[in-house]
Parts: sequence; C-alpha cells; structure tokens
Amino acid sequence: GDSVTQMEGPVTLSEEAFLTINCTYTATGYPSLFWYVQYPGEGLQLLLKATKADDKGSNKGFEATYRKETTSFHLEKGSVQVSDSAVYFCALSDAGGGNKLTFGTGTQLKVEL
Amino acid sequence: DTGVSQDPRHKITKRGQNVTFRCDPISEHNRLYWYRQTLGQGPEFLTYFQNEAQLEKSRLLSDRFSAERPKGSFSTLEIQRTEQGDSAMYLCASSSSGTDTQYFGPGTRLTVL
Repeated sequence: GDSVTQMEGPVTLSEEAFLTINCTYTATGYPSLFWYVQYPGEGLQLLLKATKADDKGSNKGFEATYRKETTSFHLEKGSVQVSDSAVYFCALSDAGGGNKLTFGTGTQLKVEL
Repeated sequence: DTGVSQDPRHKITKRGQNVTFRCDPISEHNRLYWYRQTLGQGPEFLTYFQNEAQLEKSRLLSDRFSAERPKGSFSTLEIQRTEQGDSAMYLCASSSSGTDTQYFGPGTRLTVL
C-alpha cells in the first residue's frame, strides 16, 4: 500500500537558518503530494502541494519539488522564523481511492532566536 | 466560507460509554473524510463520503465505529462501547470531488478513562 516516510524530529534551528525536512513516498499510481502544517493548538493547514512530476509547490517562502525518480518531496525554506515553529506533515493522495490522504508521522520544527 | 467545524472540541468519557461527534464541512464540498490522529503520529484515514454515500472504510474502523452523512451535508461519527485505545484526535476534512485538496477542521479530542 501507499506510505510516506519523513525525517524524525524535533528539528531545532536558529532564526534565519536554512530548513530541509526530508520526505519520501511509496505509491502504486501517480499521487499528488502535499505538505500540511499544524501550529500549536490549531488544526491541519495545507501549506503547499504538487500534482505531477517536476512540479514545484510553494507558499510563505516554503518550497517542495515533486521528484518521481527519487520518490521524494522534500520541504525547504531559505530563512526560518520563530513563527514557523510547528509540526509539518508530508502526505500523498490516492486518486483511485477518493483522494484519501496517507500521512507521514510528522516532523516537529522548533525555531529559536 | 466558514471552514470545516467539528463539535465537540473535547470529549472525556468512561470506558464502555458511547460517544458521537459531528462534522460540518465547507458548504459546497461534496466529499467528507474522517481521520484519527494519535499522539506523535500522522492522521490515519478512517472513512469518506461522497454526498450521502459512504464509499470507503478503513480496516481501522472496527464494528464499534459507525459514520453517517444522511443528507449529504453534516456527518456524525459514533463510537460504541469506547475503549482506552480509542483515545485520539478525530479529524474531519472536506473537499470537492473535482479536486484533491482537503480542508481540515480543528478536530475532536477524545479521552477515554
């Protein structure tokens, strides 16, 4: 079945540092790929998405590129802020299964001054 | 657009009791999903509806769990004879059938004592 693997956290960075959170996936079809973010005490919010190979999703300074050859969708940001502290989830959707989402276990990011 | 809402936000119950949660999706969305999230894990798919039809159920959804969406608008998730292992955050999401982007509600946190 489909699966998503994320790097384990927590990831602790200083403000303005470069961020990479690794995500790889296994899927039988051609899924869409997503990054969701969960801020403390809040629900899941869509951060960005990509629907086909070589697409780049971007939002709020975050980027991720759909790499079919390496089955990866790594999240990057050039300069993190304290307000980026949250849990980040990589996910894929199964178009043949009503677009239900399969999530990774999440990576907690802590950004310090 | 008021977003996806869930009620209650928190529920504490004793083992063996029945509980029911409600989800109100974004009004124009015809797909509604339920997920369960335990501490330190990503959300796991439980079931989804297109309009009033329940199209898929995960094997995680034991016989004690039942979900309905009688008029194709709000949905309820009932857990009968709750067990301590049912303690989790129950998330609802909605989408339009023409897209693969899901919007999540704030969740209902269930604690079974």
